[in-house]
Amino acid sequence: SAVISQKPSRDICQRGTSLTIQCQVDSQVTMMFWYRQQPGQSLTLIATANQGSEATYESGFVIDKFPISRPNLTFSTLTVSNMSPEDSSIYLCSVGRATGGRETQYFGPGTRLLVL
Amino acid sequence: DAKTTQPPSMDCAEGRAANLPCNHSTISGNEYVYWYRQIHSQGPQYIIHGLKNNETNEMASLIITEDRKSSTLILPHATLRDTAVYYCIVAGTASKLTFGTGTRLQVTL
Repeated sequence: SAVISQKPSRDICQRGTSLTIQCQVDSQVTMMFWYRQQPGQSLTLIATANQGSEATYESGFVIDKFPISRPNLTFSTLTVSNMSPEDSSIYLCSVGRATGGRETQYFGPGTRLLVL
Repeated sequence: DAKTTQPPSMDCAEGRAANLPCNHSTISGNEYVYWYRQIHSQGPQYIIHGLKNNETNEMASLIITEDRKSSTLILPHATLRDTAVYYCIVAGTASKLTFGTGTRLQVTL
């Protein structure tokens, strides 16, 4: 498995502001991902954080709204920019790690964001 | 990736086996079946994955039918701590996991 931490664990923010979420993993990994889970909903992939290059965003998510950094193989940040109440969600990072000969994703504990 | 169908909810008595079904009739030959669970307010927890053979680990067993069109996750002795939403995901690569709505398992005394 993998030991993944996220900071902050939760926050309450005002609309129009930005929040940067950090994800730290206990050892080097190639793949890191960011997900959003809106209230009462399932997880939706935002983007894949690539080390040394720009993140790869899924349909419906753009870099201006969710800029991502991946400065090394153990760390990534996701910024939620110009927030509105609709951005209130749990934001989760995950990493890929081999299990049983197969790459598998392991998730962090999540960051609970409430935008007022 | 193939779509999966799971019952929205199930109940199980503590100490009994919990059998969670998943239908994935359009699965293709190179796609694996992954199971995750999400206990309230926590990040999803990896449980098990398989291709075509049955798999067992310390958490659960995964039974995949011979035609691979369905599978069952078995928690042999469910406890209250197993109450969670269980997700069955079919994917050709772990970098593209699409989470559906899952099955909400309620374990009761």
